[in-house]
Amino acid sequence: DSGVTQTPKHLITATGQRVTLRCSPRSGDLSVYWYQQSLDQGLQFLIQYYNGEERAKGNILERFSAQQFPDLHSELNLSSLELGDSALYFCASSVSDRGALYFGPGTRLLVL
Amino acid sequence: GESVGLHLPTLSVQEGDNSIINCAYSNSASDYFIWYKQESGKGPQFIIDIRSNMDKRQGQRVTVLLNKTVKHLSLQIAATQPGDSAVYFCAENPGSARQLTFGSGTQLTVLP
Repeated sequence: DSGVTQTPKHLITATGQRVTLRCSPRSGDLSVYWYQQSLDQGLQFLIQYYNGEERAKGNILERFSAQQFPDLHSELNLSSLELGDSALYFCASSVSDRGALYFGPGTRLLVL
Repeated sequence: GESVGLHLPTLSVQEGDNSIINCAYSNSASDYFIWYKQESGKGPQFIIDIRSNMDKRQGQRVTVLLNKTVKHLSLQIAATQPGDSAVYFCAENPGSARQLTFGSGTQLTVLP
């Protein structure tokens, strides 16, 4: 158990819908990262927050957004969902904005 | 596992033998490297890391070797056990970037 928690574990929704994924980092970690893992693309970096501020952006679609709250938990919002958004979404945290990442168990999203 | 669709390199070893998993990285500016293990249905789990000022680091049953000359990283697992069966990812952190870049992974299967 890494200490990173993610909810929900599974999510099934329809195309066009919007969902919110939630992540709580390890105690003491200020940095939160979101990654997408699909069958054909491996682990893709989406976005990073450090102590409430956006630090880095990867291949995150405009339909996706994220934020980190004062209590350091983070939410990833996915809107206008498409079939291709079906994937595992992982949150990871680290103490600083560099260094080892510790991953949560993931949210499996299925868009029908 | 979730990465089956990637046609990952595979490595099969007999239980009790040593395993060596290799990774080539591309960015000569990378100064920090991590190995992760991902079991089916779970998030990537930190195994061991190494900084570019070292060429070898040992953990419990694992050793990471770094050859900066040829930009090659390897993970050695001693006395491989059935519980070691998983996908193994190397990740690199280029000096100027804040997020890790993950390789495509290697599927390790331990045969009884």
